[in-house]
Formats: sequence, C-alpha cells, structure tokens
Amino acid sequence: GDSVTQMEGPVTLSEEAFLTINCTYTATGYPSLFWYVQYPGEGLQLLLKATKADDKGSNKGFEATYRKETTSFHLEKGSVQVSDSAVYFCAFYNQGGKLIFGQGTELSVKP
Amino acid sequence: NAGVTQTPKFQVLKTGQSMTLQCAQDMNHNSMYWYRQDPGMGLRLIYYSASEGTTDKGEVPNGYNVSRLNKREFSLRLESAAPSQTSVYFCASSSGFGDTQYFGPGTRLTVL
Repeated sequence: GDSVTQMEGPVTLSEEAFLTINCTYTATGYPSLFWYVQYPGEGLQLLLKATKADDKGSNKGFEATYRKETTSFHLEKGSVQVSDSAVYFCAFYNQGGKLIFGQGTELSVKP
Repeated sequence: NAGVTQTPKFQVLKTGQSMTLQCAQDMNHNSMYWYRQDPGMGLRLIYYSASEGTTDKGEVPNGYNVSRLNKREFSLRLESAAPSQTSVYFCASSSGFGDTQYFGPGTRLTVL
C-alpha cells in the first residue's frame, strides 16, 4: 500500500554542516511530492514540493529532487543553522487524493 | 491574512467528556481536513471535507464526528473522550482536493 519511509531521527548536526534526510515512497503512479517542516510548538508548513519526475523543489536553502527510478525525494541543505531545528515530514498525494506522511525526522542543530 | 486558525490551543478532558475542536480558514479553500499527530507516527487523517456539504472518513475516524458548517469552518467532535484520543490535532485546508494543504497551529488534547 501507499507509504513513506524517512530516516529515523533525531539527527544532530553542528551549525554549517551538510544535511541529508532520506525519504523513499511506495505509491501507484507518479504523485506530487512534498516536504513539510514543523517548528517546535507550531503546525506544519510547506517547505518545498515537486510535481513530476526530475523536478527539483527548493526553498530557504533546502532542495529535494524527484527521483522516479529510485522512488526517492531526499531533502538536502548545504549549511544548516540553529534555526533549522525542527521536525521534517516527507509526504505525497495518493491516487485517492489523500496526503500520505512519513513518520517525521527530528533535526537538532547545535551552535 | 490569518490562514487556518484552530481553537482551543490546549485542552484537558476527563474520560467520557465531550468537546468540539473548531477550525476556520480565510483562504476561500474548498477542501478541509482533520489530522491527529502521535509520536513516531506522522500525521493520520481522521476526516476530510472535499467540498462544502460533503464529509468523508479518513484513516482513523472511530470516536470522532465532523461538521462542515460552511465553506470556512470545519469542526471535529469527540462525543465521549478516551485516553487513546490524547494527541495533537491539526486542521488543514486546500484549494481543491489533492492540492497543497495549509495547516493550522494545532490543538494539544489530553484525556485523563
């Protein structure tokens, strides 16, 4: 069935380190893919999205590329900041129009 | 522009009590959703309303009811709260069903 698998957290990095959060999905067809971010005590905010294969979504220095052949949508950032500390969710719309979420990956960035 | 608003922010209930979580959006969106978030489980869809006048069950509807009061408002009701309903509840809306969803700040509910 439809599902999203994210790397387990928490991920702890030093400021200015390179970030990768892995995300793979199981879906029918080629869905739109999303990364949402949840800062402490807040709701989810859309971080970036990609709607077709080989598209690259980007926002606030974060990037993710829609890889059809590996069914992946890994999130990357070249230099993280303390303010990037949050929980990151990978998600896609299934053919029934419902948003399927991964379990979330907590990122903690230390100064 | 407030986006999606939810009330209350926090609530503590005793087992068996009832309550309604309120959600409103000011983006003229057609579709609205209720999710619950539990540790290590991501977000799970409780109910959704693809358009005004319609509601449908999501992944975990048991113990909940919803009302799409008008285009702006979508409420979630717990008729007889249980400790298993302790969670953080998020409301979301989208322009159309399957479009990008925008989330409210959440309601943290504890059932004792």
